[in-house]
Amino acid sequence: GESVGLHLPTLSVQEGDNSIINCAYSNSASDYFIWYKQESGKGPQFIIDIRSNMDKRQGQRVTVLLNKTVKHLSLQIAATQPGDSAVYFCAAAGYSTLTFGKGTMLLVSP
Amino acid sequence: DGGITQSPKYLFRKEGQNVTLSCEQNLNHDAMYWYRQDPGQGLRLIYYSQIVNDFQKGDIAEGYSVSREKKESFPLTVTSAQKNPTAFYLCASSTTTQETQYFGPGTRLLVL
Repeated sequence: GESVGLHLPTLSVQEGDNSIINCAYSNSASDYFIWYKQESGKGPQFIIDIRSNMDKRQGQRVTVLLNKTVKHLSLQIAATQPGDSAVYFCAAAGYSTLTFGKGTMLLVSP
Repeated sequence: DGGITQSPKYLFRKEGQNVTLSCEQNLNHDAMYWYRQDPGQGLRLIYYSQIVNDFQKGDIAEGYSVSREKKESFPLTVTSAQKNPTAFYLCASSTTTQETQYFGPGTRLLVL
């Protein structure tokens, strides 16, 4: 079956740094990808998405990059703030429903 | 306000008891989902429904049951057959199964 994985379970950064969170997927037919942010005790929140006909998409302080050749996507957060501390996970449109990765916990220290 | 609501926020289950978690959406989405999340783990799909009166098992359906009698509602029953029910339960909805899912705030189920 399809799998979606994150490269690092935890990422620690200083406030103001740029953060990069990575994700790999296995299904080469996946054509839609989403990044979510989940704060402790809350439901996941949509951040940004990208379709396979694009390789980059920008939002407010966030950028998603998609490399279909190596089946890899990344989420870049500019000028990371303490409020960005959360678990981030990617999802890929797969065989029937979305497949979710396990998540990377982003820790932002002042 | 459009969105997904889940109730209750916390739920306690006694041994041998069935409990039902509520999920309602007013986004006019056709598809709805239930996930289970254990500490430090990702989301595991329990059941999903693509349309009213139809639903499919996910990866961990044993010990759970659902119904989809209305487009807006997708309740999940945790039966006594589920021997390890303590977890954070998340409901989501989307226009189709291949599009962005929007999540509710979650229900934490604890066993007494």
